[in-house]
Amino acid sequence: NAGVTQTPKFRILKIGQSMTLQCAQDMNHNYMYWYRQDPGMGLKLIYYSVGAGITDKGEVPNGYNVSRSTTEDFPLRLELAAPSQTSVYFCASRLSNEQFFGPGTRLTVL
Amino acid sequence: DQQVKQNSPSLSVQEGRISILNCDYTNSMFDYFLWYKKYPAEGPTFLISISSIKDKNEDGRFTVFLNKSAKHLSLHIVPSQPGDSAVYFCAARDGSGAGSYQLTFGKGTKLSVIP
Repeated sequence: NAGVTQTPKFRILKIGQSMTLQCAQDMNHNYMYWYRQDPGMGLKLIYYSVGAGITDKGEVPNGYNVSRSTTEDFPLRLELAAPSQTSVYFCASRLSNEQFFGPGTRLTVL
Repeated sequence: DQQVKQNSPSLSVQEGRISILNCDYTNSMFDYFLWYKKYPAEGPTFLISISSIKDKNEDGRFTVFLNKSAKHLSLHIVPSQPGDSAVYFCAARDGSGAGSYQLTFGKGTKLSVIP
């Protein structure tokens, strides 16, 4: 099993550009999450999904969108990138009480 | 309003000694607590957890203690090894079911184990 995979690993965007961060898991987990981690801070929940076709907002959803068309994939969309979205983004899936994290995408918006 | 607080940003410990990482929380609805370990340029990995109905859970060199009345938990690593050097995050789950068991994370404590 590859676990939770994320692409790309790094990305630099210009203000106003858009992009999609990809996340996939091969563990057949229903629950998936997107977090962002700013320097010196803990992880903050952006969006989550309890299964294919069902998504909901977390603590910091503004400026992002998600979709969940399959159990495996949970992409995160940034429509109009802003410098405040410079962060490291982690995707996770959950089995029982434990969340499994991907390696992260480091995004810089200039 | 931080619901999960890790008040020590960093901790240095000699190899072979005990490392104690602390975490405080404010939300009484938290019913499950987890510790994650994170190396640079990697995602967090699960380390150990404890349910609110217990006061101690042990796994090898790692032990987590929970004091519900004080809303405090701690992670003990004995003996500490250089490979334990990482950032440790405390996380708590809201057991009320709201938000599908979202985790709330502390800011992390960077542990450095000195050989």
